[in-house]
Amino acid sequence: DAKTTQPNSMESNEEEPVHLPCNHSTISGTDYIHWYRQLPSQGPEYVIHGLTSNVNNRMASLAIAEDRKSSTLILHRATLRDAAVYYCILRDLWTGGGADGLTFGKGTHLIIQP
Amino acid sequence: ETGVTQSPTHLIKTRGQQVTLRCSSQSGHNTVSWYQQALGQGPQFIFQYYREEENGRGNFPPRFSGLQFPNYSSELNVNALELDDSALYLCASSFRDYTDTQYFGPGTRLTVL
Repeated sequence: DAKTTQPNSMESNEEEPVHLPCNHSTISGTDYIHWYRQLPSQGPEYVIHGLTSNVNNRMASLAIAEDRKSSTLILHRATLRDAAVYYCILRDLWTGGGADGLTFGKGTHLIIQP
Repeated sequence: ETGVTQSPTHLIKTRGQQVTLRCSSQSGHNTVSWYQQALGQGPQFIFQYYREEENGRGNFPPRFSGLQFPNYSSELNVNALELDDSALYLCASSFRDYTDTQYFGPGTRLTVL
């Protein structure tokens, strides 16, 4: 899977929007962009994924740049419960469901201030 | 819908011993993956099982082995434990499709003394 780059940490205030960036300049045409998050003392949790178009679900929105070399996970109204490590992961369409597992980097540690 | 469960929650072993960790997959999922997460690091892929066969492996030695059962529960076995094996071990279940969305359990914290 292609490599992603994320800031080590970000800080935001409760009830404000949070924009978590991810750079993936070597993304291929068949790479899906996945986001997972890991709350303290828990296993990772799927957040959202997309290929080319922006995506929304109940947890977050994913904005994908037109050239697909970067993406942004948007939490519209952060709560204290959103404090977690957020991982941006690329997953090839043809190996998704394949045998190489997810490649996690160090992710972005999101701190939410009350 | 039952989520992914793992047992035990915590485990302490000594160097050289063997350990078995257990995972129960989410209902309807036919694939299970195991990951090792050292403190302060992201999870690292150990291996994946699909329909009871090992389907892929990360950069882990053969003393890490596994089993998947017909009811899609699974085990991770580690022989000849080393101090560096101390970590959080996560299992994740999925339905094998092009998205491969994985659903993780809470993990087993293994400490090797």
